[in-house]
Amino acid sequence: KNQVEQSPQSLIILEGKNCTLQCNYTVSPFSNLRWYKQDTGRGPVSLTIMTFSENTKSNGRYTATLDADTKQSSLHITASQLSDSASYICVVSEAAGNKLTFGGGTRVLVKP
Amino acid sequence: KAGVTQTPRYLIKTRGQQVTLSCSPISGHRSVSWYQQTPGQGLQFLFEYFSETQRNKGNFPGRFSGRQFSNSRSEMNVSTLELGDSALYLCASSLSGPVGSPLHFGNGTRLTVT
Repeated sequence: KNQVEQSPQSLIILEGKNCTLQCNYTVSPFSNLRWYKQDTGRGPVSLTIMTFSENTKSNGRYTATLDADTKQSSLHITASQLSDSASYICVVSEAAGNKLTFGGGTRVLVKP
Repeated sequence: KAGVTQTPRYLIKTRGQQVTLSCSPISGHRSVSWYQQTPGQGLQFLFEYFSETQRNKGNFPGRFSGRQFSNSRSEMNVSTLELGDSALYLCASSLSGPVGSPLHFGNGTRLTVT
């Protein structure tokens, strides 16, 4: 069964600090991996999309990495801001079957 | 370019009733997919429509149904509501489908079943 596991479930960081979120998946065959940011009461917004051949992709202070061999991805937030407080969801696309598998998300709280 | 619009934003219904949710995709997007989000289960795929045809369906009972119109707008219907149907329902539009092209989500409809 295809699964996407995210860790930690939640974390609290101080404004200005960095943090890294993890995503491990078993989805096969792999098509792409996406990171979304979801603010409370809003729909998810795409941060990055990575295919098999991409190791790193950045979007401002967000940097995602992908190791397709170990089926792991990480999302690094640099110099966190209060507006980074949100849930971050990892989504993996299956190449066959046209399906997405969602991780449970990591809730990040940035404190001043 | 206007984003994905979902209406209504909030709904309160009673067990046994039915409900219809609406989604207007980004102009030019032919794929609309629907998702249920709950604290316990996270995001779960309901179904996807492309050019008025359902292309894919998740593991939800037949009480959950949808349709897509010729202008790509989509509706989702839930009949015989149960307490467990309380959730945030999100729709997302994309050019060619959820797997092959970026998803653009609406802000959802918060459904509460009492």
